[in-house]
Amino acid sequence: GQQVMQIPQYQHVQEGEDFTTYCNSSTTLSNIQWYKQRPGGHPVFLIQLVKSGEVKKQKRLTFQFGEAKKNSSLHITATQTTDVGTYFCAGPGTASKLTFGTGTRLQVTL
Amino acid sequence: EPEVTQTPSHQVTQMGQEVILRCVPISNHLYFYWYRQILGQKVEFLVSFYNNEISEKSEIFDDQFSVERPDGSNFTLKIRSTKLEDSAMYFCASSVGLAGGVPSYEQYFGPGTRLTVT
Repeated sequence: GQQVMQIPQYQHVQEGEDFTTYCNSSTTLSNIQWYKQRPGGHPVFLIQLVKSGEVKKQKRLTFQFGEAKKNSSLHITATQTTDVGTYFCAGPGTASKLTFGTGTRLQVTL
Repeated sequence: EPEVTQTPSHQVTQMGQEVILRCVPISNHLYFYWYRQILGQKVEFLVSFYNNEISEKSEIFDDQFSVERPDGSNFTLKIRSTKLEDSAMYFCASSVGLAGGVPSYEQYFGPGTRLTVT
């Protein structure tokens, strides 16, 4: 079946440093979604990417969908303590199913 | 802002017992899902539900599991004869399906039910 892997599994940064998580799918995706899960919380939808090579920005977060639509990345500029959590890619977003990636846990310290 | 609600927040049960986890999806959403997350691991898809029937289910969703929409608001997950390995956080989610004529499958998750099987 479809597998979605993310690297790194865990990243610890100092506040103000940048952070990137990479997502790779075993199959081509029609779209990819990103979710954030705070410690003890539930996944919260961040964004959906649909087009090959698409780049979207949300304030300090930049999301990219690969040209082959099999990989994606999330980059956070100048991390803050509020960015702490686990970031999951998931795809494709269809009516019937969403396959989550393995997740990257981000820890930010002052 | 509308949100998905789940009850109970924590359920402790003995091995072999049946449990029912309850969810109230967002009112205008048409697609409903159950996921589980074992502590520290990824979110795993269990089942999706649309138009009063299962759309898709994973290998995890075997005969031990069933889902139901008993009325216009609730969406339930029943686990028969629970096993120790069923201990996990169970999340319900919903999506609208169509927004302004455009497919929209971003999923809204509830706060989860932590199931502990002893």
